[in-house]
Amino acid sequence: GIQVEQSPPDLILQEGANSTLRCNFSDSVNNLQWFHQNPWGQLINLFYIPSGTKQNGRLSATTVATERYSLLYISSSQTTDSGVYFCAVGNYGQNFVFGPGTRLSVLP
Amino acid sequence: DGGITQSPKYLFRKEGQNVTLSCEQNLNHDAMYWYRQDPGQGLRLIYYSQIVNDFQKGDIAEGYSVSREKKESFPLTVTSAQKNPTAFYLCASSPSRRSHYEQYFGPGTRLTVT
Repeated sequence: GIQVEQSPPDLILQEGANSTLRCNFSDSVNNLQWFHQNPWGQLINLFYIPSGTKQNGRLSATTVATERYSLLYISSSQTTDSGVYFCAVGNYGQNFVFGPGTRLSVLP
Repeated sequence: DGGITQSPKYLFRKEGQNVTLSCEQNLNHDAMYWYRQDPGQGLRLIYYSQIVNDFQKGDIAEGYSVSREKKESFPLTVTSAQKNPTAFYLCASSPSRRSHYEQYFGPGTRLTVT
């Protein structure tokens, strides 16, 4: 099955800093989502991005499907950005496979 | 107010008892899913359902059972056969599974078995 890696596993930032999170996957995919899991456990949809680039406020994401990776950019980070960021990938008719996550801590 | 609800938020049970976790969605989604998350880990798929009265095992189905009698509801039973039932359980739904599909998650249920 598809293998998903995320890097870095842990990231500590000062408020206001920028960061880039990476998701690598082992095979071609049709579906890719980025999620933020907040401290209460809720998984929040950030982007559905099987290819291309999207932006939503301070967050943006880029997926290069031919090279099997996706990047999540967080600019001007805030303490509320803390939590775990998951990448999930899959193909039509198949289940999503989740990566292990990147744990982000933003310090005031 | 559309979304996915899970109840209860916290659940405590004694070892040897079956327990049922509720998941309801009013998004009119065809597909529903149950995931398990252990501390510091990613999500693993337990069961999924693409249509009423049909469901399929995921990667870690042993010790769990589900039903899908209504489109809106997909309850998960954690049976006494599940060896390590203490975990965070997340329910999700998506419009379909046939092409592009985006999953949406409920708030989760934390189950503790002692």
